[in-house]
Amino acid sequence: AQTVTQSQPEMSVQEAETVTLSCTYDTSESDYYLFWYKQPPSRQMILVIRQEAYKQQNATENRFSVNFQKAAKSFSLKISDSQLGDAAMYFCAYWTGGGNKLTFGTGTQLKVEL
Amino acid sequence: EPEVTQTPSHQVTQMGQEVILRCVPISNHLYFYWYRQILGQKVEFLVSFYNNEISEKSEIFDDQFSVERPDGSNFTLKIRSTKLEDSAMYFCASSGGGRSSYEQYFGPGTRLTVT
Repeated sequence: AQTVTQSQPEMSVQEAETVTLSCTYDTSESDYYLFWYKQPPSRQMILVIRQEAYKQQNATENRFSVNFQKAAKSFSLKISDSQLGDAAMYFCAYWTGGGNKLTFGTGTQLKVEL
Repeated sequence: EPEVTQTPSHQVTQMGQEVILRCVPISNHLYFYWYRQILGQKVEFLVSFYNNEISEKSEIFDDQFSVERPDGSNFTLKIRSTKLEDSAMYFCASSGGGRSSYEQYFGPGTRLTVT
């Protein structure tokens, strides 16, 4: 069974600084997708960024980028120039066509300080 | 931009009562899902639905749960006899078919409180 592990329950970052959230996963599949979702206090699930496993190039979306290490099964999220609005719970998630469901990690609560 | 909608936003019910949570997926999507998030915990998969039948379900999705697509637009989750531990946020999601089925769009959620 696929598992997703987020080892940092909480992280803090100063406004305008950079923070990296960690995620590791376990799978025997070769074709899969990885995602980072943001969940603000409203509890809406917002897709931040996705990475296709077959792509070697790391995905980037504005201030958000990932460091995808397929051999190490690691998928970290880097947030640059952190803003107050980035404060939220961040979930790492995994998808494979065989299951067609998202498997989520336990989340990292990100606090952004002035 | 098309979006998934869910009603109600908050439902309070007494233990043992039946509840129906409603979702309107994105109109041209083919796959529909329900996920659950108990407060403070991770989001967990409940069930996926395709071509008018369940395609996969988790061990959480026992006999007290059922899903239905009663018409061309709605997708519902019914809990027959609610328990205190069913209190959670329930998210509906939908995705297109084929290679785009990985891209799941989530609704805003329904907060279910069982008293």
